[in-house]
Amino acid sequence: AQSVTQLGSHVSVSEGALVLLRCNYSSSVPPYLFWYVQYPNQGLQLLLKYTTGATLVKGINGFEAEFKKSETSFHLTKPSAHMSDAAEYFCAGGGNKLTFGTGTQLKVEL
Amino acid sequence: DAGVIQSPRHEVTEMGQEVTLRCKPISGHDYLFWYRQTMMRGLELLIYFNNNVPIDDSGMPEDRFSAKMPNASFSTLKIQPSEPRDSAVYFCASMGYPLDNEQFFGPGTRLTVL
Repeated sequence: AQSVTQLGSHVSVSEGALVLLRCNYSSSVPPYLFWYVQYPNQGLQLLLKYTTGATLVKGINGFEAEFKKSETSFHLTKPSAHMSDAAEYFCAGGGNKLTFGTGTQLKVEL
Repeated sequence: DAGVIQSPRHEVTEMGQEVTLRCKPISGHDYLFWYRQTMMRGLELLIYFNNNVPIDDSGMPEDRFSAKMPNASFSTLKIQPSEPRDSAVYFCASMGYPLDNEQFFGPGTRLTVL
């Protein structure tokens, strides 16, 4: 069965600090991987995606993620957190039918 | 493009009533997905369509739920009769030719069943 696992349902960082949100996928998941962000009372918005090619993927708002096949990971990072980054982040993988992780709530503190 | 449009944005109803949620996908997209989001179960795929045809409805919880896509620009998700445990946010998403498999989500409908 396909699965996407996000480690840590809540992550708290200080403004200006590194953001690291972890995502691992099962090897049965096709190598199409995504990170979505959800702000309160809104739908999901695509941050970045990996389909083929370069394993380091850059997205919107300064976020990036690296596809590591050997580790079955697709962790999301941002060098310097901003208050506006506070939201819920979802990792997803698959083809036409996506499997979503359970989400990580990011809190950014002053 | 206006993006994926869902209506209503909020729905409050009483147990036993019929509820109909509506979705207009992005023009030209030939895949449409219905999801349900709850605190307990997270984001669940209910059903998805390709070219107006249901492809996978294995996530539909029970016979009280039904979904249709009569044409490329409109889909409905119906719950009849509704129950309090159906309270959730329901999202519609659409996707174009699946080279990138990127789904575009609507703003969601928050359903409360009393």
